[in-house]
Amino acid sequence: QKEVEQDPGPLSVPEGAIVSLNCTYSNSAFQYFMWYRQYSRKGPELLMYTYSSGNKEDGRFTAQVDKSSKYISLFIRDSQPSDSATYLCAMSARMNTGFQKLVFGTGTRLLVSP
Amino acid sequence: DAGVIQSPRHEVTEMGQEVTLRCKPISGHDYLFWYRQTMMRGLELLIYFNNNVPIDDSGMPEDRFSAKMPNASFSTLKIQPSEPRDSAVYFCASSRTSGSSNEQFFGPGTRLTVL
Repeated sequence: QKEVEQDPGPLSVPEGAIVSLNCTYSNSAFQYFMWYRQYSRKGPELLMYTYSSGNKEDGRFTAQVDKSSKYISLFIRDSQPSDSATYLCAMSARMNTGFQKLVFGTGTRLLVSP
Repeated sequence: DAGVIQSPRHEVTEMGQEVTLRCKPISGHDYLFWYRQTMMRGLELLIYFNNNVPIDDSGMPEDRFSAKMPNASFSTLKIQPSEPRDSAVYFCASSRTSGSSNEQFFGPGTRLTVL
């Protein structure tokens, strides 16, 4: 079993729809939870991060963490064609050295049609 | 800042040839990472450096892979000899110790095709 599971999609939605992207994980030591966005032929870029459980909102994006269920979500409101990309969840646990190594999901490809 | 710079952007080579990928991290960042991304396995960490010293190379698939960081502004990932199964996109990323987000900044990647 992978440490982080993510549905690869693709997920196709019309413009304006609410999008829900999800990941599950098995390592209860994970403390930081992140969402990276990757456009085609580009490197991933950090979209949002949260520490421990709870919600975090940034404009049209909301990240949600449920540590009891080992489940994280990213919601996109009023989705736009420019949101079309691959979304990767990433998680980290503190190493003995203090550095937090990231473990990535395989990514969900999102397509928002005009 | 120009961000993380990688070269070449595309590399096509034949099986058995040596391949060298290059990376210039963001100035002031003390961590450097090499990742490999494929459709099947997603983004995998190969190796990372802290202050130019390799810390964890447990993700390097085989002895054919090696990485160096001779100074704070340059790193290489070498594959010798290359095989078709090495075909993937290789990303370099960098980050700095300070800050709680542990954000890693990725380069544009090198798309490697081994024929």
